[in-house]
Amino acid sequence: DGGITQSPKYLFRKEGQNVTLSCEQNLNHDAMYWYRQDPGQGLRLIYYSQIVNDFQKGDIAEGYSVSREKKESFPLTVTSAQKNPTAFYLCASRPQGTSTDTQYFGPGTRLTVL
Amino acid sequence: QKEVEQNSGPLSVPEGAIASLNCTYSDRGSQSFFWYRQYSGKSPELIMSIYSNGDKEDGRFTAQLNKASQYVSLLIRDSQPSDSATYLCAVREGGYQKVTFGIGTKLQVIP
Repeated sequence: DGGITQSPKYLFRKEGQNVTLSCEQNLNHDAMYWYRQDPGQGLRLIYYSQIVNDFQKGDIAEGYSVSREKKESFPLTVTSAQKNPTAFYLCASRPQGTSTDTQYFGPGTRLTVL
Repeated sequence: QKEVEQNSGPLSVPEGAIASLNCTYSDRGSQSFFWYRQYSGKSPELIMSIYSNGDKEDGRFTAQLNKASQYVSLLIRDSQPSDSATYLCAVREGGYQKVTFGIGTKLQVIP
């Protein structure tokens, strides 16, 4: 059963805490992405990774960190430095070096700061 | 700053009508164009991708691209209540990994 999984589905964080959102894919895709979605706004890119052990900042990377130790996994840590982390977080992946450049999304994690 | 513009709506159409969703983009170097559908509380799912000028049809959906006018649209024929969702336009510049998304247009199909 191929696809992209994200966990948890809902996450609550207290002020000052770091939390890590999981993203796993078994599609053998090389590129992976993290987006944030706020009401009334489009998806904004946080970080992306094209290959293992390499990643680049997106448009709103401040207060976030990522790692890419395995091809299948691209976890996102929301640090206490992120001032307004309440949002819907979406992970996506895309195959490299093919004729298609379509991104496929996981089900998302909804993060709420208490 | 690359921009993708969409009217947030809501766009209301009666069941069975044609829904027309529009999107403009600022970067003339853009190469790939996507329409995603997003139901409330869910993640986006791809409906269509289009890469060259003209029309591309898939079932009830037709994507139209005009690079000279920097305009891409999505037509939904025979609209159904199940088509009620937010439709996101996304654009990728050639040679780049990053995709820029519009804010989405909310479509309401009235039975």
